[in-house]
Amino acid sequence: KQEVTQIPAALSVPEGENLVLNCSFTDSAIYNLQWFRQDPGKGLTSLLLIQSSQREQTSGRLNASLDKSSGRSTLYIAASQPGDSATYLCAVDYGQNFVFGPGTRLSVLP
Amino acid sequence: NAGVTQTPKFQVLKTGQSMTLQCAQDMNHEYMSWYRQDPGMGLRLIHYSVGAGITDQGEVPNGYNVSRSTTEDFPLRLLSAAPSQTSVYFCASRKGLAGNEQFFGPGTRLTVL
Repeated sequence: KQEVTQIPAALSVPEGENLVLNCSFTDSAIYNLQWFRQDPGKGLTSLLLIQSSQREQTSGRLNASLDKSSGRSTLYIAASQPGDSATYLCAVDYGQNFVFGPGTRLSVLP
Repeated sequence: NAGVTQTPKFQVLKTGQSMTLQCAQDMNHEYMSWYRQDPGMGLRLIHYSVGAGITDQGEVPNGYNVSRSTTEDFPLRLLSAAPSQTSVYFCASRKGLAGNEQFFGPGTRLTVL
């Protein structure tokens, strides 16, 4: 079964810290992996998309890496800010099936 | 472009009532899908479509019907609502059948009493 897990489930850090969110998937036959941000009561905002042939993608203070063979992706957030507080979801594209992890709830304290 | 739109934003139903959640996209995307999001369960795929006239079941299809008569629209029907269908529903679309970025609508929060 295609499963996606995320560690940690929740994280609370002081402002300015660099942090890493982890995503693992059981089936490595992926097309791509997408990281999303979700604010409470809101929809999903796409942050980064990594194709299966890529090792990493960067957007501003965000950097996502992908190790397909080991079934892992990490989202690195540099110099965290209170505005980064949200739930971060990773989703793996298996073609017709798109599987989400349960999310990491991040709180950045001023 | 409006992207992916969903209506209504909120809905309260009584057990046994029926309703249709609307989803539309203006990006000419072939692939459209419906998810439900429940606390502690993450987002789960209900149904998806790879083009007009073609639909298939996802992980949790029971109690839901879909059809795709046009590229733009992908409505989700609840024929007889149950309290277990209380959830937040998201519609999504992407270009092609695989490998491209998926775009999500704002969601519909449904409560079944």
